[in-house]
Amino acid sequence: EVQLVQSGAEVKKPGESLKISCRGSGDSFTGYWIAWVRQMPGKGLEWMGSIFPGDSDIRYNPSFQGHVTVSADKSISTAFLQWNSLKASDTAIYYCARHQRVSAPFDYWGQGTPVTVSS
Amino acid sequence: SYELTQPLSVSVALGQTARITCGGDNIGHKNVHWYQQKPGQAPVLVIYRDRNRPSGIPERFSGSNSGNTATLTISRAQAGDEADYYCQAWDIRTYVFGTGTKVTVL
Repeated sequence: EVQLVQSGAEVKKPGESLKISCRGSGDSFTGYWIAWVRQMPGKGLEWMGSIFPGDSDIRYNPSFQGHVTVSADKSISTAFLQWNSLKASDTAIYYCARHQRVSAPFDYWGQGTPVTVSS
Repeated sequence: SYELTQPLSVSVALGQTARITCGGDNIGHKNVHWYQQKPGQAPVLVIYRDRNRPSGIPERFSGSNSGNTATLTISRAQAGDEADYYCQAWDIRTYVFGTGTKVTVL
């Protein structure tokens, strides 16, 4: 069974850095893309970017490029989403999800990582 | 940038049919996927490439896509279908999600 298990909830201050993770199991991690999706409180879904762990090909939503970094370590079947300097507006739930190729649907999702940024 | 517009809310009587629209410029030329999200849970794929159901999704869920509108149809609505629904499409180099529709079963 395919599973994506995300790291736990985080509480941070503005300006701090953060790296959250998404570990895959049950299928070939390097044969699929991993996407990151933001959901701000009471709002809809926003695609942030995707990575293909097999060769580290990365696609970013222009709206998020430069503010977050997507990476992966295929040796531990884990993808990461990183911020160097958090803002209060980064408060959201972040989901990882799997897709088979660019433009394909997100067929498996992680449980979500809540991130709260507050002074 | 490409936009997908959904109604804020749709109400349906128990056992009746709900239709959720997703409007976008020439969306009929794109592959549209649909997700169901219940409170406090991650989204679940319910329709992919316009009209295909993943394993485990009831036949009551169906989809269509033509012109400037894609539609998710929920037949014989059940209380358990209450959720937010999002459409999704790929445009040039970006995944776009619809604005989301809250479905209430009366």
